[in-house]
Amino acid sequence: SSELTQDPAVSVALGQTVRITCQGDSLRSYYASWYQQKPRQAPLLVIYGRNNRPSGIPDRFSGSTSGNTASLTIIGAQAEDEADYYCNSRDNNDVQFYVFGPGTRLTVL
Amino acid sequence: QVQLQESGPGLVKPSQTLSLNCNVSGGSISSGSYHWSWIRQPAEKGLEWIGHIYTNERTNYNPSFKTRITISADTSKNQFSLKMSSVSAADTAVYYCARGRVGIATTGTYYYLDVWGKGTTVTVSS
Repeated sequence: SSELTQDPAVSVALGQTVRITCQGDSLRSYYASWYQQKPRQAPLLVIYGRNNRPSGIPDRFSGSTSGNTASLTIIGAQAEDEADYYCNSRDNNDVQFYVFGPGTRLTVL
Repeated sequence: QVQLQESGPGLVKPSQTLSLNCNVSGGSISSGSYHWSWIRQPAEKGLEWIGHIYTNERTNYNPSFKTRITISADTSKNQFSLKMSSVSAADTAVYYCARGRVGIATTGTYYYLDVWGKGTTVTVSS
């Protein structure tokens, strides 16, 4: 099955910009979706498709893709953005099967 | 606004079958082109996609679970269900139900889970 890889942890100073990346062969064909998860909460969709934000997600969150790498960028990170972030996409070998990346823990300093 | 709520036993014995329901409110599971999905998360670990059922009752499963799971829907109750057989301690996790959607853009296709339940904790232990 296809794998998605993410850096385990990333940190950013308050108000600065941070990019969280997700790599995998399937991303050459399918866009990733991104989920934010805070402790003891269900995941929350923050980005999907080419660069779409659900209603209620601040515009400081954006998404992009280049080759086999999808990126979630937060411009002007806030304390409330501290969370785990997961990417998700289709499996490259079985398009009916979906996979999550291992997650990136974002710390806002 | 669609809301999802998981329910089921919090404790299951090893080798038995885990059964969970996801009640959908604020919308019908038989309308639209949605993928009614199950995802799980062991403690302190990442998310794992289990499988989903389409509105037309077609299912797709994670190959890791394929022989052990069944996802079904009951439109009269507006809910969908997960059954996982032969459970072990490794199946201890928070189980989430979610609504999946597929989009098609000129530049590619995409899948996303836009509505999630709060999750229910299942412990496998004797």
